[in-house]
Amino acid sequence: NAGVTQTPKFQVLKTGQSMTLQCAQDMNHEYMSWYRQDPGMGLRLIHYSVGAGITDQGEVPNGYNVSRSTTEDFPLRLLSAAPSQTSVYFCASSSLTGEDGYTFGSGTRLTVV
Amino acid sequence: RKEVEQDPGPFNVPEGATVAFNCTYSNSASQSFFWYRQDCRKEPKLLMSVYSSGNEDGRFTAQLNRASQYISLLIRDSKLSDSATYLCVVNQANSGGYQKVTFGTGTKLQVIP
Repeated sequence: NAGVTQTPKFQVLKTGQSMTLQCAQDMNHEYMSWYRQDPGMGLRLIHYSVGAGITDQGEVPNGYNVSRSTTEDFPLRLLSAAPSQTSVYFCASSSLTGEDGYTFGSGTRLTVV
Repeated sequence: RKEVEQDPGPFNVPEGATVAFNCTYSNSASQSFFWYRQDCRKEPKLLMSVYSSGNEDGRFTAQLNRASQYISLLIRDSKLSDSATYLCVVNQANSGGYQKVTFGTGTKLQVIP
């Protein structure tokens, strides 16, 4: 049981480049989400999804797009990378209510230069 | 006032000591509560859920006080391996019936030999 798989683990982008962070889960979780974690600011929600075809914005959605075509996959796309998007990104999944907690992927460390 | 507040620490304690963390939350409609552990440069991992009656898992005890809107985590007989950041997580249902998850910024624990 792999849980939540994130790729890549590390990435360096130039300002203006675009890229997609991949996230896949094999627990049949309906709820999936993307967070960024910056020093002193904790985890901030970027986008989330409550099922295939349904996505919504979180606290800091600007500059990011998501899609959910299957239950398993929830990719995060950076449209035009900016230095302010340098961060650690985590994907997480849970049941729809989240009452059993959340499983996180191992994270992507992104640097935008 | 932040939705979820934690003392950032660091808490520096000797091996074998007992240490307690508190976390306050602002929304009285919050429904489920968790403590997560995050090691340096790793993803958060579920440590334990927090139930109204209080619950224990080995050396760890979690308690919930709904009247005062705080949760606590007690660690007895601290080990070096307990050194980590402990995140408080609060979950409530939003107007659509889906979860709204809020993470605290974490309390850093350093257990000293």
